[in-house]
Amino acid sequence: DGGITQSPKYLFRKEGQNVTLSCEQNLNHDAMYWYRQDPGQGLRLIYYSQIVNDFQKGDIAEGYSVSREKKESFPLTVTSAQKNPTAFYLCASSTPRYGYTFGSGTRLTVV
Amino acid sequence: GQQLNQSPQSMFIQEGEDVSMNCTSSSIFNTWLWYKQDPGEGPVLLIALYKAGELTSNGRLTAQFGITRKDSFLNISASIPSDVGIYFCAGQLGYTGANSKLTFGKGITLSVRP
Repeated sequence: DGGITQSPKYLFRKEGQNVTLSCEQNLNHDAMYWYRQDPGQGLRLIYYSQIVNDFQKGDIAEGYSVSREKKESFPLTVTSAQKNPTAFYLCASSTPRYGYTFGSGTRLTVV
Repeated sequence: GQQLNQSPQSMFIQEGEDVSMNCTSSSIFNTWLWYKQDPGEGPVLLIALYKAGELTSNGRLTAQFGITRKDSFLNISASIPSDVGIYFCAGQLGYTGANSKLTFGKGITLSVRP
């Protein structure tokens, strides 16, 4: 079955470390997105990519980086410059007219 | 960035009751979508609306695309415990380029008392 897979489900980061969250889709969708979710704040857009080898900053891109070398993959790196990285991270992909398909999320905790 | 207006932040209802949620915007959208998020999971699409005035049902769910294109509502009838979760509305301006990005509301957390 087609879908979008995020891994790992839970991730722990030490202060000063970079960590990379994986997002893979086999839906043949062109566009992919990363969102951050904090309690009561809804979904905030970090980065999005509408085509391979191209991506744009969202509303809260500082402290994050992405790459889009393959259509299927859109990994997100949370760098040490992100001062408050503890959150639930959601990846999504989309095709015109049918909205987004979301992954099941990665919960990142700083220890 | 812009966000859609959803309030209240939380709703508490009794099992079997109907509940209605509203979503408003200061600007128009050409597509409205409603998502539900279960705890610890990603949001799942419930209903998509493509035309002003459109009324669409999906089981016990009914949603409408407002005639002004600046609002939408979602109604859940005869609520059951598994309706618990966060309900997000989303608006979309178009299907290409930057217009294809969804704008989300902050979500309404629904609790259902047995």
